[in-house]
Amino acid sequence: DAGVTQSPTHLIKTRGQQVTLRCSPKSGHDTVSWYQQALGQGPQFIFQYYEEEERQRGNFPDRFSGHQFPNYSSELNVNALLLGDSALYLCASTLAGVKKVDEQFFGPGTRLTVL
Amino acid sequence: GESVGLHLPTLSVQEGDNSIINCAYSNSASDYFIWYKQESGKGPQFIIDIRSNMDKRQGQRVTVLLNKTVKHLSLQIAATQPGDSAVYFCAENGNTGNQFYFGTGTSLTVIP
Repeated sequence: DAGVTQSPTHLIKTRGQQVTLRCSPKSGHDTVSWYQQALGQGPQFIFQYYEEEERQRGNFPDRFSGHQFPNYSSELNVNALLLGDSALYLCASTLAGVKKVDEQFFGPGTRLTVL
Repeated sequence: GESVGLHLPTLSVQEGDNSIINCAYSNSASDYFIWYKQESGKGPQFIIDIRSNMDKRQGQRVTVLLNKTVKHLSLQIAATQPGDSAVYFCAENGNTGNQFYFGTGTSLTVIP
């Protein structure tokens, strides 16, 4: 039973560039959430996708966008990268209830460095 | 927004001793909580969860206690092992239940 997978593992970009990160949820899960984790901090919620739509969004600018595909996999896109976007980007999946998520599992993350 | 905080940022224990990691949360609407373990360079690993209709839940070597009156969570690890060394986060589901709010974490170091 495959867990949550993310690609790439590491990524180095320069300011102003754009980046796309990818996530495949745990088998049987249909909801994907993205988190940003700065060094020494807890993960911060970016947004969540369910049924190919953004269901919930945290306090992140529009430079952060996403997509969910029919197979439940997801992408996180960040435009006009800033130095402050350097972080570990985590994908988490769950099987959605009516409204509330449950037993959320994380992937290994993508380490993004912006120079 | 929600605030989830930890009382102790670092904790060192002797191998074989029991560990207790504490967490305070501020949103009384939160009704589901998860403890995660995060090792260096890895994503958070689900340890144990608890719903607000319970005050205690036990897993393998771990116990989570929930005190809704004072909005406090704790994670107890029995017979702590070197492999337990990691950063531990508690997370709450907040008002909507669709996202989780994390504290800054507690770093647990197990001394052999």
